[in-house]
Amino acid sequence: EAGVTQFPSHSVIEKGQTVTLRCDPISGHDNLYWYRRVMGKEIKFLLHFVKESKQDESGMPNNRFLAERTGGTYSTLKVQPAELEDSGVYFCASSQPNRLGQYFGPGTRLTVT
Amino acid sequence: QQQVKQSPQSLIVQKGGISIINCAYENTAFDYFPWYQQFPGKGPALLIAIRPDVSEKKEGRFTISFNKSAKQFSLHIMDSQPGDSATYFCAAALLYNNNDMRFGAGTRLTVKP
Repeated sequence: EAGVTQFPSHSVIEKGQTVTLRCDPISGHDNLYWYRRVMGKEIKFLLHFVKESKQDESGMPNNRFLAERTGGTYSTLKVQPAELEDSGVYFCASSQPNRLGQYFGPGTRLTVT
Repeated sequence: QQQVKQSPQSLIVQKGGISIINCAYENTAFDYFPWYQQFPGKGPALLIAIRPDVSEKKEGRFTISFNKSAKQFSLHIMDSQPGDSATYFCAAALLYNNNDMRFGAGTRLTVKP
C-alpha cells in the first residue's frame, strides 16, 4: 500500500511569488490534514478535510493560503503571494474515518527568499 | 500559545542507555496522547499512543508513562540503539475531534554507538 505522498519535496521561491503544494493521501482515507513546522518549533495544524469538505480550517494563517481537495482525492495548498515567514516544512497527513492515528507524508520544505 | 511543551530539545544517549523525553499539556480535555518518530527526509510516523485511563503503556523497548493529575506524559526508550536516532514529537488530541492535535516542538535524539 502506497503511503502519503507530497510534491514537490523542496521549493525555493522569492517573496511575492506563488507556490502550490500537492498531497496524495492513502487511498480510502477520507480525512486529510495539512500541518506546518517552522524550524525548531512545533508541528502546527493548518486545516482538515473530510472528503472534499473543509472540516476545520482554523489553523490557516491568513487568506494568502488556499487549500482545495476537489473530488475528495488529492489536495493542494496554494500560497499566494508568499512571504518570508511562510518558510517551513509543510506536512500532509491522512487517516481513515473513525480510526486513530494519522499517516504523514514526507513533507515539502518551502523556502521563501 | 503552545499547548504542549516538550523537553529536552535535544538528547544524546549512549547505546544501551535509557532515553527519556517529557511532555506537559494544558487542556484537560485532551484524551489521546500519541508519540511520533521522524527520521530525516521522512514524515512523522506514529510510534506509540496512550489514553488517559491508563498510567503506562509498553510496546517493546518503548514505554509511555502518563500522569493525569500532573498533566504530564513521557516516552522512555530502553536499551537505546543508534537506529533510534531521530526526532520525536509528542502530541495531544481530542478523540471526538482527532483533527485537533497539538504537537510538542520535538526532541532530536542521538544515540551514540
